[in-house]
Amino acid sequence: GAGVSQSPSNKVTEKGKDVELRCDPISGHTALYWYRQSLGQGLEFLIYFQGNSAPDKSGLPSDRFSAERTGGSVSTLTIQRTQQEDSAVYLCASSLGLAGITDTQYFGPGTRLTVL
Amino acid sequence: AQKITQTQPGMFVQEKEAVTLDCTYDTSDPSYGLFWYKQPSSGEMIFLIYQGSYDQQNATEGRYSLNFQKARKSANLVISASQLGDSAMYFCAMREYGNQFYFGTGTSLTVIP
Repeated sequence: GAGVSQSPSNKVTEKGKDVELRCDPISGHTALYWYRQSLGQGLEFLIYFQGNSAPDKSGLPSDRFSAERTGGSVSTLTIQRTQQEDSAVYLCASSLGLAGITDTQYFGPGTRLTVL
Repeated sequence: AQKITQTQPGMFVQEKEAVTLDCTYDTSDPSYGLFWYKQPSSGEMIFLIYQGSYDQQNATEGRYSLNFQKARKSANLVISASQLGDSAMYFCAMREYGNQFYFGTGTSLTVIP
């Protein structure tokens, strides 16, 4: 079946502009995660949605970052007033949302954001 | 404290040889899952292997095996018979019961022909 999809694959924007990044999870997956990966670095957790529960926003670096998930499926990560340090690859992952420890995340191809 | 530690920023291995990528973890939760992902230069994160804290045997998936030493809190990835296509970044991750995933900083593996 279809995997996690993300759009756009690349986004170049000017400093101060707002951007929206989209993630379409695997059908039937109730959990959705956003991560940021700067060049040559590991994954930085941003936000986690699980079903209808309130999202875990503990990883969002500032109030310029927000995310929503409509209808328990597609998610949009919004970055307002972008800064050059926001340049990174933004990865989305989804999982079945099992409460136990066996839940496995599957990742999308990422969106490469460049802020000029 | 770091939840996941990968101490090898870069590793080299000769083609067809085996290689071990180190991962140690920190948790006081008795219930947790350990994962390894591969990230080639193309950027996608590929799930490789999973080990549960209650699993009695080490996980294996083809040429990948996980050397799970619970008392030492280590979950090393062993790749047997390395291939050129194994050259990539490898990330170790952990999930505690009901919580988010924690990732290590990764190990860059280069397979030498």
